[in-house]
Amino acid sequence: DTEVTQTPKHLVMGMTNKKSLKCEQHMGHRAMYWYKQKAKKPPELMFVYSYEKLSINESVPSRFSPECPNSSLLNLHLHALQPEDSALYLCASSRLGGVSSYEQYFGPGTRLTVT
Amino acid sequence: KQEVTQIPAALSVPEGENLVLNCSFTDSAIYNLQWFRQDPGKGLTSLLLIQSSQREQTSGRLNASLDKSSGRSTLYIAASQPGDSATYLCAVPETGANSKLTFGKGITLSVRP
Repeated sequence: DTEVTQTPKHLVMGMTNKKSLKCEQHMGHRAMYWYKQKAKKPPELMFVYSYEKLSINESVPSRFSPECPNSSLLNLHLHALQPEDSALYLCASSRLGGVSSYEQYFGPGTRLTVT
Repeated sequence: KQEVTQIPAALSVPEGENLVLNCSFTDSAIYNLQWFRQDPGKGLTSLLLIQSSQREQTSGRLNASLDKSSGRSTLYIAASQPGDSATYLCAVPETGANSKLTFGKGITLSVRP
């Protein structure tokens, strides 16, 4: 099974709301990623978790708060977002090991609209 | 800093045509190169990953080649079908274990019936 699932598929939230995005994989991958993708642009990396610890934060504003409660789950908590944060949020996972880089598997994404 | 380029940005071909999508990168010290497909509003589907030690990788009608020395990869699609219409992105990881991917901007392919 090479599936990464994401919920919800669509989310509309106001600028004062608090919401969370969820990502799950059962491939035994120990690296998990959050990407943000705007229309007609490639994905941009936001966060990387390696062995459930945050290893990369690409200078993302604090209104985005990632969490990795276990090796299969990745959350992205959202608070006080701006309309420009509207985008497709993609989760991905991959194996980890040494200095090699492994294939990343992406979920279907959550389409977020901030009103 | 690694830069990945995909030209042209869009391509329209008639059904049945064999086609080649190009990807170039500036730093040849890569571990691998991954090709993805993305349908509008959807996530990325991994098509092929070609390791730095490999020259080619095949899956069905798809064939990816890699020439590290010239900083190029191609994705060959045989006998194109309307269902192949999508955006195709290539990506390379940064060196080191963090696996941060640098993406090209993608090529939007339209296969006309």
